[in-house]
Amino acid sequence: SAVISQKPSRDICQRGTSLTIQCQVDSQVTMMFWYRQQPGQSLTLIATANQGSEATYESGFVIDKFPISRPNLTFSTLTVSNMSPEDSSIYLCSVWGASGNEQFFGPGTRLTVL
Amino acid sequence: QKEVEQNSGPLSVPEGAIASLNCTYSDRGSQSFFWYRQYSGKSPELIMFIYSNGDKEDGRFTAQLNKASQYVSLLIRDSQPSDSATYLCAVITGTASKLTFGTGTRLQVTL
Repeated sequence: SAVISQKPSRDICQRGTSLTIQCQVDSQVTMMFWYRQQPGQSLTLIATANQGSEATYESGFVIDKFPISRPNLTFSTLTVSNMSPEDSSIYLCSVWGASGNEQFFGPGTRLTVL
Repeated sequence: QKEVEQNSGPLSVPEGAIASLNCTYSDRGSQSFFWYRQYSGKSPELIMFIYSNGDKEDGRFTAQLNKASQYVSLLIRDSQPSDSATYLCAVITGTASKLTFGTGTRLQVTL
């Protein structure tokens, strides 16, 4: 299994500001995934973070809005930039376990933008 | 057409009954299928994965896959109130190891 921690667990932010979310994994992994879960909705993949290369963004998500860092094999950050109330969501990071049969999720960061 | 579709529910079943959750997917080339459970305010947790056509059983849970019809289902036998949660179907499509999630089905097990 993989144990994932995220910081902060929740935050309330003002419109126009930025928030950086940290994700720490207890083992080395090649890929880390960032998801968004809007209220009452399912999970939507934002991007895949690979160590040593630029993140790969899904359709509808851009680097200027969601810059990602991946400095090593156990850590990644996602920044939500120039926030608006529409960015209010839960942001989750995830990784595949060693067996490749299960993707584990962090506890999530609950973001509210006023 | 959405890539992974589920009935949002809620699906209400009495305690002890069988709950049947269904999911259809659009990419015929999909190879790997997952069922996650998500309690309110919590992260998703894996219940089962299935790769081959047919049934796969694990305790009270049975996953069924029919690639020809492009659907995957989850049966929960002897449903308990603690099974009340949202069940997410997820599929790996393409060559990248990316999960695409359905919208989830909310299950309510009543006493």
